[in-house]
Amino acid sequence: KAGVTQTPRYLIKTRGQQVTLSCSPISGHRSVSWYQQTPGQGLQFLFEYFSETQRNKGNFPGRFSGRQFSNSRSEMNVSTLELGDSALYLCASSLEPGLAGGGVTQYFGPGTRLLVL
Amino acid sequence: GIQVEQSPPDLILQEGANSTLRCNFSDSVNNLQWFHQNPWGQLINLFYIPSGTKQNGRLSATTVATERYSLLYISSSQTTDSGVYFCAVESYKYIFGTGTRLKVLA
Repeated sequence: KAGVTQTPRYLIKTRGQQVTLSCSPISGHRSVSWYQQTPGQGLQFLFEYFSETQRNKGNFPGRFSGRQFSNSRSEMNVSTLELGDSALYLCASSLEPGLAGGGVTQYFGPGTRLLVL
Repeated sequence: GIQVEQSPPDLILQEGANSTLRCNFSDSVNNLQWFHQNPWGQLINLFYIPSGTKQNGRLSATTVATERYSLLYISSSQTTDSGVYFCAVESYKYIFGTGTRLKVLA
């Protein structure tokens, strides 16, 4: 079974631009979560989607948004990019969303490295 | 919110040595996972372990949920074990610890 895939793998943008990142979960997985990893803040939860609905959201500004399609693929968008948005963006998929009685294991994709100049 | 602390922050070992990594969390959680992040950034699942003990080859993990900590044991370490080890807990969202950076020297 193919793992979680993320595209693109690397991206360079300039301040003020917007960016869209894509995540395809493991076949059969219906929950997708996004994380931002930076040297200063570590790994931080952005949001989680299940059945095309956002279930949980981390403490990020409204410039960060996402969506999930009927095939469970997910995209996240960052508008008006800032230098501090430079990070590794990781996507994780699981069969069910969290808090579903336990037993939920997340599987991570390789990430998208975003550099904002 | 829940705080997740990992120790030690950095660890250097000679190949063949054993080590114990610790994860403390400040409140009860529904889920706890250990991950290894390789030098290319890929997070690899090691254990899903909200309680009890599990073993997988040279790695084993124990979570004592009532005392709010988890331990990851690495025996006979190899250079390929190098990287950053994270524990992550789930309450209403997923929270990662700050990680333990492990370097295994040949």
